[in-house]
Amino acid sequence: GAVVSQHPSWVICKSGTSVKIECRSLDFQATTMFWYRQFPKQSLMLMATSNEGSKATYEQGVEKDKFLINHASLTLSTLTVTSAHPEDSSFYICSAKRETGNTEAFFGQGTRLTVV
Amino acid sequence: AQRVTQPEKLLSVFKGAPVELKCNYSYSGSPELFWYVQYSRQRLQLLLRHISRESIKGFTADLNKGETSFHLKKPFAQEEDSAMYYCALNAGNMLTFGGGTRLMVKP
Repeated sequence: GAVVSQHPSWVICKSGTSVKIECRSLDFQATTMFWYRQFPKQSLMLMATSNEGSKATYEQGVEKDKFLINHASLTLSTLTVTSAHPEDSSFYICSAKRETGNTEAFFGQGTRLTVV
Repeated sequence: AQRVTQPEKLLSVFKGAPVELKCNYSYSGSPELFWYVQYSRQRLQLLLRHISRESIKGFTADLNKGETSFHLKKPFAQEEDSAMYYCALNAGNMLTFGGGTRLMVKP
């Protein structure tokens, strides 16, 4: 099956620093990748949709300048949390769809961000 | 705008009992619906989709357009079915999730 890998799995950073989270599709090309945020005991909330080679589309209420998304290749998308604050602490999950038109989404294992 | 509702946050049943996890949606177009499952400490994974009409791990789900529902059912629950279940709607290029239902199967 298709594998999506996120790195790191867990990161702790100081308030004010920036953190980059990588999302890679290991054995398929993904024209579209999605970034979600999941609060404890809550559902996944879509933050943004990124298409390879173009700007990401952000959901309402998500700060573009705070959550920078770069989809530089068909196998890699990155989410950078800039100037992180404790309220940014959360579980961030990416997913990817194959470029062949299959609508099934494959999920990464998630990244736990803790800002202290 | 599309919306997915899972009315139950927690569903607790005994092993061998039937299970039904409810999912209702609202979408003006033709819906494509999925059920995803997340076992403890594991990533989210696809359980089934309405297009394929298949049964996975004994689970089935039928799309009812009249009632705008896509309930997940299993006749006899097993302890290993304990997990978080998310109903999701694919609209355009966006997957919208319901709030999730935690299924606990007691021995």
